[in-house]
Amino acid sequence: AQTVTQSQPEMSVQEAETVTLSCTYDTSESDYYLFWYKQPPSRQMILVIRQEAYKQQNATENRFSVNFQKAAKSFSLKISDSQLGDAAMYFCAYRSPGNQFYFGTGTSLTVIP
Amino acid sequence: GAVVSQHPSWVICKSGTSVKIECRSLDFQATTMFWYRQFPKQSLMLMATSNEGSKATYEQGVEKDKFLINHASLTLSTLTVTSAHPEDSSFYICSAREPSGRAGYNEQFFGPGTRLTVL
Repeated sequence: AQTVTQSQPEMSVQEAETVTLSCTYDTSESDYYLFWYKQPPSRQMILVIRQEAYKQQNATENRFSVNFQKAAKSFSLKISDSQLGDAAMYFCAYRSPGNQFYFGTGTSLTVIP
Repeated sequence: GAVVSQHPSWVICKSGTSVKIECRSLDFQATTMFWYRQFPKQSLMLMATSNEGSKATYEQGVEKDKFLINHASLTLSTLTVTSAHPEDSSFYICSAREPSGRAGYNEQFFGPGTRLTVL
């Protein structure tokens, strides 16, 4: 099985500030996808951002961007201008060529007003 | 994005009984669906891959006779927890893959989850 590691169980950020969530993964594949998902208290998984491994350019989605370092197998998420609605569990995920998702242990993000 | 539903959203059952959870893709055909299990304050753990018309593939450590998966149509996969015990209490989430990929890359969509409590 693939390994996805999130070393920050909890993070907090002041509203309107920037926060970075860390993720590392392990794989022997060269073609795969990486994702960040948000899970609010409702437990519905919400896609935040995706990155294709063969693309060198870091993905961005409005206030969300990633720093993808393929050689280092690192995939961090940066949230800019944090909003109260960003508070949730954030899961980093690796999707194998067989389409199975392997999730990290999650980071609980608190946004302080 | 596409919609994946799960039914029921929550279920309580007695120890020793069996419980069936349904996962449906509402507006697309899903040749492959996946089942995950999430304990409180923990991550999602992949249990099995369900392919339409064939046997499911289970992850290491998941008992296939305990967690029966059936993917009889392109829009429905079911997970049956047989002879449920309190340790099976968990949150079960399915996802469905849209092979044609309206997003162009094998988009996968998650259901809202089913909370199972075994008394």
